[in-house]
Amino acid sequence: DAKTTQPPSMDCAEGRAANLPCNHSTISGNEYVYWYRQIHSQGPQYIIHGLKNNETNEMASLIITEDRKSSTLILPHATLRDTAVYYCIVRVGGGNQGGKLIFGQGTELSVKP
Amino acid sequence: GAVVSQHPSWVICKSGTSVKIECRSLDFQATTMFWYRQFPKQSLMLMATSNEGSKATYEQGVEKDKFLINHASLTLSTLTVTSAHPEDSSFYICSASSLADTQYFGPGTRLTVL
Repeated sequence: DAKTTQPPSMDCAEGRAANLPCNHSTISGNEYVYWYRQIHSQGPQYIIHGLKNNETNEMASLIITEDRKSSTLILPHATLRDTAVYYCIVRVGGGNQGGKLIFGQGTELSVKP
Repeated sequence: GAVVSQHPSWVICKSGTSVKIECRSLDFQATTMFWYRQFPKQSLMLMATSNEGSKATYEQGVEKDKFLINHASLTLSTLTVTSAHPEDSSFYICSASSLADTQYFGPGTRLTVL
């Protein structure tokens, strides 16, 4: 199973872009990169996922390097409500197990006024 | 995104009793549901994977006779913590996916065993 490495914590000023890095150097060709976040005492919230190409949705952008060994999640204009733990996960398995997610420690993002 | 609910949101029980937690996918059919446990200041730990109509697959170290999982329909899975003890106190979170697609998580259930 591919593992991910993330910095344990980051700070970001409100209104600025938050760039959260993730290393996944052992990722396989058919494994996706998923990002979730968890606000204190809540269930994780899906943000975005990608395979090779960069992806963008209403919440964030995902930039994946050409060799797929690392990626960056970008929150373009961070707000105080974006303060959370952000998890970068490489999805394993598939078939009738539906691709289980193995959570690491994530990055605790603090958005400051 | 898809909506997953859990009930109850919190529960307090006495040691030795059993507690059932429900997980429902509200606007999609969940072919697969997952159960996680999270202790304070730790990450989520996958406990088991269940497919509708099949027996659950438990992760290593998770006792299947203690944590009973039922996934009887495409919108409902239940986790029963049998003979609960204080060390079972934790935040239990379910997720659901349809046909190996994105997993969506419930809000979690806080279990406290006295």
